[in-house]
Amino acid sequence: EIVTTQSPATLSVSPGERASLSCRASQSVDRNLAWYQQKPGQAPRLLIYGASTRATGVPARFSGSGSGTEFTLTISSLQSEDFAVYYCQQYNTWPPWTFGQGTKVEI
Amino acid sequence: EVQLVESGGGLVKPGGSLRLSCAASGFTFSRYSMNWVRQAPGKGLEWVSSLLIGSSYIYYADSVKGRFTISRDNAKNSLYLQMNSLRAEDTAVYYCARIKDQGDFDAFDIWGQGTMVTVSS
Repeated sequence: EIVTTQSPATLSVSPGERASLSCRASQSVDRNLAWYQQKPGQAPRLLIYGASTRATGVPARFSGSGSGTEFTLTISSLQSEDFAVYYCQQYNTWPPWTFGQGTKVEI
Repeated sequence: EVQLVESGGGLVKPGGSLRLSCAASGFTFSRYSMNWVRQAPGKGLEWVSSLLIGSSYIYYADSVKGRFTISRDNAKNSLYLQMNSLRAEDTAVYYCARIKDQGDFDAFDIWGQGTMVTVSS
């Protein structure tokens, strides 16, 4: 089973600042990694797939990078609506499909 | 509008059963691989089960294997999860989710709003 580990658990930032979230896989997942955003009481929303491709309707301030075992989600200038929990997921080797434990982005 | 709507959640006693449904609309349901993902209160996302189109395979997480059964009815555009021998640790919001682009190797692009399952005496 591939373990995906996210860091930090909580990221405290101010609106307008840049945020960088990390996801590490226990073995290579090539570029088969996705990022999701989840706000309280809502379902997860796909942000990034293929490590760096934005899903439909996702603002350009969200970008993904990395390959193999190290990945980063960057939010270039945080807006109030970006405060949420972010999860990475590998879909290279399954089952199981595995999610990271999440990074909470808070003010 | 592409949409998934779950139903069937509720309160059930340990050892009991429940059947969740996920109604799909706005896309050709029969062409997509589908999944169930759950989230315990205050916790992260946990994959539960997948029904893949490309390989016609079904997979389960070890935590539910032998107790849960995933199925679909393409004529009704619906995905199901039959949950038997429920335990307290199965308490969670259950989401159905679609694998994008009619493939098996891809992200989960469409999610339902979730249905809450509570297992308690």
